[in-house]
Amino acid sequence: QAHLVESGGGVVQPGRSLRLSCAASGFSFSHFIMHWVRQAPGKGLEWVAGIWFDGRNTSYTDSVKGRFTISRDNSKNTLFVQMNSLRAEDTAVYYCAREATILGGSMGYFDYWGQGALVTVSP
Amino acid sequence: SYELTQAPSMSVSPGQTASITCSGDKLGNKYVCWYQQKPGQSPVLVIFQDARRPSGIPERFSGSNSGNTATLTISGTQAIDEADYYCQAWDTSPHVIFGGGTKLTVL
Repeated sequence: QAHLVESGGGVVQPGRSLRLSCAASGFSFSHFIMHWVRQAPGKGLEWVAGIWFDGRNTSYTDSVKGRFTISRDNSKNTLFVQMNSLRAEDTAVYYCAREATILGGSMGYFDYWGQGALVTVSP
Repeated sequence: SYELTQAPSMSVSPGQTASITCSGDKLGNKYVCWYQQKPGQSPVLVIFQDARRPSGIPERFSGSNSGNTATLTISGTQAIDEADYYCQAWDTSPHVIFGGGTKLTVL
């Protein structure tokens, strides 16, 4: 059974940086595309970024491009997001999510989610 | 940019059928999936590839997608189905797109 556990959340001042981690277990981490999805308080889900199996390809939503960097360490089964120049509007619960894969092909939906890490950007 | 539109809320009586819609330009040409999220919990996949149910999801959950509208149908709605429901697809970037979510109240 796949398991994802986020860590690294907290309160940070605007303009500062924070790095979130997501520890994966119960599956072959390097065989899956991974994503970060966030949810502002009382709001809906917003996709943040995704990273290919080997980390060579990444993709970002426009609002975080140039400020956030998604990465992974397949040797440690861990997903990261480095968040720089944080803004109040980045306040959210950040989920890591696994993109389903069948026979090596990514399926475009998220079959496992972590419990989330709360990031609060406040003076 | 591509958008998915959902009604913010809807209500249904126990035992009745709830139809939650998600609209987007030529959405029927894309695969749509649906997530259920209860307060304080992470999202759970309930429908993928328009109409397929993951293992463990009750048969009362079904989906369809045609034209500009995808629909999540909950037949014989139960109190435990009260939750927020989100549709999801991909745009051409490719970026993941979520609908704004529909809060389903069972009363």
